[in-house]
Amino acid sequence: AQTVTQSQPEMSVQEAETVTLSCTYDTSENNYYLFWYKQPPSRQMILVIRQEAYKQQNATENRFSVNFQKAAKSFSLKISDSQLGDTAMYFCAFMSYRDDKIIFGKGTRLHILP
Amino acid sequence: KAGVTQTPRYLIKTRGQQVTLSCSPISGHRSVSWYQQTPGQGLQFLFEYFSETQRNKGNFPGRFSGRQFSNSRSEMNVSTLELGDSALYLCASSRDSRGETQYFGPGTRLLVL
Repeated sequence: AQTVTQSQPEMSVQEAETVTLSCTYDTSENNYYLFWYKQPPSRQMILVIRQEAYKQQNATENRFSVNFQKAAKSFSLKISDSQLGDTAMYFCAFMSYRDDKIIFGKGTRLHILP
Repeated sequence: KAGVTQTPRYLIKTRGQQVTLSCSPISGHRSVSWYQQTPGQGLQFLFEYFSETQRNKGNFPGRFSGRQFSNSRSEMNVSTLELGDSALYLCASSRDSRGETQYFGPGTRLLVL
């Protein structure tokens, strides 16, 4: 069974700093997708970034980028120039190529301090 | 394009009752998945529907059921409610291919007293 582990339950950083959220996963599959979702205090879950396992190039979306290490089964999220609006719960997630069931980590609560 | 909508947004029920939650996917999306979010267990997959058929199911008791209509709208039903069913129920939709990104609705907050 696949598992997703986020080892940092909570983090705080100053506005404009760079922060990295860690995620490791376990799977025996070779084809899969990885995601970072953001859930602000209003509760609407928003996709931050997506990575296909077969792509070696790390995905980037503006200030958000990932460090995907397939052999190490690691998928960290880097937020550059952090903003107050980045305050949220961040979930790392895994989806097998075979089905649409998303396995979520427990989340990292990120506080951006003014 | 309108996002995923869920109704109602908040619900209070008592033990033993049943409840039906509704989810309208993004226009053109044919897959709808349901998740339960609780502080203790986090986000857990309930089931997925595609073209009116349940395509995938999580590890929840039979009290949890769902269905999908021809217009891709989906409903989720929980019978004989228990206190532990109190949770945020999230619905997500995606297009018709596997591996497509899922887009989430705002959720229905269910409180069982």
